[in-house]
Amino acid sequence: EVQLLESGGGLVQPGGSLRLSCTASGFTFSNYAMSWVRQAPGKGLDWVSVINYSGGDIYYADSVKGRFTISRDKSENTLYLQMNSLRAEDTALYYCAKGDSASSYTSLNNWGQGTLVTVSS
Amino acid sequence: DIVMTQSPDSLAVSLGERAAIDCKSSQSVLYSSNNKNYLAWYQQKPGQPPKLLIYWASTRESGVPDRFSGSGSGTDFTLTISSLQAEDVAVYYCQQYYSTPFTFGPGTKVDI
Repeated sequence: EVQLLESGGGLVQPGGSLRLSCTASGFTFSNYAMSWVRQAPGKGLDWVSVINYSGGDIYYADSVKGRFTISRDKSENTLYLQMNSLRAEDTALYYCAKGDSASSYTSLNNWGQGTLVTVSS
Repeated sequence: DIVMTQSPDSLAVSLGERAAIDCKSSQSVLYSSNNKNYLAWYQQKPGQPPKLLIYWASTRESGVPDRFSGSGSGTDFTLTISSLQAEDVAVYYCQQYYSTPFTFGPGTKVDI
């Protein structure tokens, strides 16, 4: 059974940093693309970033480009999202999602429960 | 960026009746080299993460009931629930994964 467990969320001041982690199990992590998708309270889904199976193909939403960095560690079966220069509008539940293929251009067939990031002074 | 729109914003359907949700993309998401539409549908129930229902616009994900179907090509797509069940109350999102950023539609809330 595929399991994705996010961690690292919390309360941070504007301009601060957080690193989110997503520990994967139940599948061969190094064979699949992985993504981050966020959802502000009461709002819709907002795509954040994707990394392909090898880490050689990475994309970001314009709203986070230059501030967020996605990465993966195949030895730890873990996906990361380093978030710097955080803003109030980054406040959201951050989901880790598994791609349906190795390519970045894929649907998302498994999702974690999410980790909440709150940016506030 | 490709803009995704959905209609209606919300709909109420009687149990056992048909529900249809439209999704439009601001440009085609059909990749000519493989003739695939890079379009997915997700269901999100309150307090839960999204769940993949349909990918490649019309391929049902494993385990998804066959009352859910996807259709369309290019820029116009439809998710149909043939006979609404109580457990189908949720918000439904379409998403294009043809070009980055992989944008989602705003969602359609389905109620009984």
